[in-house]
Amino acid sequence: GAVVSQHPSRVICKSGTSVKIECRSLDFQATTMFWYRQFPKKSLMLMATSNEGSKATYEQGVEKDKFLINHASLTLSTLTVTSAHPEDSSFYICSADIAGGSYNEQFFGPGTRLTVL
Amino acid sequence: GQNIDQPTEMTATEGAIVQINCTYQTSGFNGLFWYQQHAGEAPTFLSYNVLDGLEEKGRFSSFLSRSKGYSYLLLKELQMKDSASYLCAVVVGATNKLIFGTGTLLAVQP
Repeated sequence: GAVVSQHPSRVICKSGTSVKIECRSLDFQATTMFWYRQFPKKSLMLMATSNEGSKATYEQGVEKDKFLINHASLTLSTLTVTSAHPEDSSFYICSADIAGGSYNEQFFGPGTRLTVL
Repeated sequence: GQNIDQPTEMTATEGAIVQINCTYQTSGFNGLFWYQQHAGEAPTFLSYNVLDGLEEKGRFSSFLSRSKGYSYLLLKELQMKDSASYLCAVVVGATNKLIFGTGTLLAVQP
């Protein structure tokens, strides 16, 4: 099956620093990658949709200058949380869909647990 | 706006059957997924419905009625390992983005 990886799996950082999270599709090319965040005991909330070589589309209420998304290739998207604050602590999950696929299925990465002190 | 509702929590007994409901009101509809998620892990795919009716897959079945904006996930022969959150997600828009429901935390008891 299609595999998506995320790195790092866990990160702890000081308030005010920036953190980069990578999302890679390992055995397929992804037309589109999605970034979600999930607070404890809550559901996934879509933050943004990114397509290779173009600017990401952010959901309402998500600050594009705070959550920088770069989709450099068909297998890599990065999310950078800039000037992180404790309220940014969350579980960040990416997903990817297959280029040319017809099933609408997204394949999820294992998630990144961010803790901002 | 997008609105997808599920019961917050459910409890069921090992070996029994449980039905988890999902109602949705979304701008557009390209399909509906059900995912299972254990704490601290990514969601895993359970089922996909795009046409009305029942999709069966082993112990899991999912039903869709597009006219009613309604779906359910049916889990049979419950096992302790089925204790998890179950997420309903609707596919919308030209980019096929997923809008997730509130999630249902299922506890399976002996």
